[in-house]
Amino acid sequence: DIVMTQSPDSLAVSLGERATINCKSSQSVLYSSNNKNYLAWYQQRPGQPPRLLIYWASTRESGVPDRFSGSGSGTDFTLTISSLQAEDVAVYYCQQYYSTSITFGQGTRLEIK
Amino acid sequence: QVQLVQSGAEVKEPGASVKVSCKASGYTFTGYYIHWVRQAPGQGLEWMGWINPDSGGADYAQKFQGRVTMTRDTSISTAYMELSRLTSDDTAVYYCARPYCNSTSCHIWFDTWGQGTLVTVSS
Repeated sequence: DIVMTQSPDSLAVSLGERATINCKSSQSVLYSSNNKNYLAWYQQRPGQPPRLLIYWASTRESGVPDRFSGSGSGTDFTLTISSLQAEDVAVYYCQQYYSTSITFGQGTRLEIK
Repeated sequence: QVQLVQSGAEVKEPGASVKVSCKASGYTFTGYYIHWVRQAPGQGLEWMGWINPDSGGADYAQKFQGRVTMTRDTSISTAYMELSRLTSDDTAVYYCARPYCNSTSCHIWFDTWGQGTLVTVSS
């Protein structure tokens, strides 16, 4: 299985500041035939199911605020929240779908400083 | 609107089995696979496998093979996940989720999730 490793495990950022979460895969999730990275990001608030934020590593899902952005390629990816809002307190997960055996990162807990 | 509604919380004894349901609405049930993902208390997300509601075919994560069975009833647009030989390590919230599909292909990111079903395994 492809192992997804996120860093840091937890993060505290002041309101209005930038938050950056990293995700590294144990092998490339870039599919050469279409030059797409098979990587998604989710947000999970307490007591709720995950919410899709980003797919193809950088494409924002409809309705997701533009302060959320994804970047990276191959094995190294980043989720950035440009200006942290109170409602962004959550756990964030990356997920690869390059392999049919789906795997998630361990999660990054984002809090307000 | 597209919706997945799961059955209620369960409490089971070690060694028992549990069957969780996931009722789909707002779209053609047989047009999209259903995946199952679980989350132990305070832990991350763990993918368990999928079922093709059209054919009934299924594929399971290696960790759960021999212990999980995914089925469906197309007449009521409902998918099921049954897990047997339960231990305390199976205490978790179990989610069903629908992958993204357009007119030409499907990709396994999940844009629709059920609300989750808490399964507690305790004697």
